[in-house]
Amino acid sequence: AQKITQTQPGMFVQEKEAVTLDCTYDTSDQSYGLFWYKQPSSGEMIFLIYQGSYDEQNATEGRYSLNFQKARKSANLVISASQLGDSAMYFCAMRTLNKLVFGAGTILRVKS
Amino acid sequence: NAGVTQTPKFQVLKTGQSMTLQCAQDMNHEYMSWYRQDPGMGLRLIHYSVGAGITDQGEVPNGYNVSRSTTEDFPLRLLSAAPSQTSVYFCASSLAGQLVYGYTFGSGTRLTVV
Repeated sequence: AQKITQTQPGMFVQEKEAVTLDCTYDTSDQSYGLFWYKQPSSGEMIFLIYQGSYDEQNATEGRYSLNFQKARKSANLVISASQLGDSAMYFCAMRTLNKLVFGAGTILRVKS
Repeated sequence: NAGVTQTPKFQVLKTGQSMTLQCAQDMNHEYMSWYRQDPGMGLRLIHYSVGAGITDQGEVPNGYNVSRSTTEDFPLRLLSAAPSQTSVYFCASSLAGQLVYGYTFGSGTRLTVV
């Protein structure tokens, strides 16, 4: 069975600073994909970044980067230069052959 | 291009009532899934489908039924609503074949069972 663990229920970060949101995963599959989604207070699910299990380089998308450590089964999201609009719930998720499973999420609050 | 459409957006049910949450996508996605979101528990997979006529159970299937008669539609049926089913429900869809394909989510249905 697949499992995603996000151990930080809530995080605060000062505007313009970087923040790391933790994610560990467990699966017996060799092929899998790791995703991060953002959910603002409006409720929609917004895709941020993807990392494949065979990708050798860490994924980056603008201010988002994924710190992928396969041996440790971790896929932490790094947000650089935080903005007030980054305040939201963040979910780590893992896709195997035919389904996508989520962690419990981390609420991020950016302080001005 | 509408993406994933969920109806209704809000619903209040009485305990014991039945209802169907509708989900439709116009992207010709093979995979469709239903999730419920509860505070502190993230999104939990209820049922999923890899194509028309094929469905399977997720983590929390009890009390819910699904069917997939067409590629476009994946309705979720609550057989006899219970207060424990008060939640926000999301439908999502994706292309098959490549893990890189992300899931597209609907806007959610907020269900309250009293």
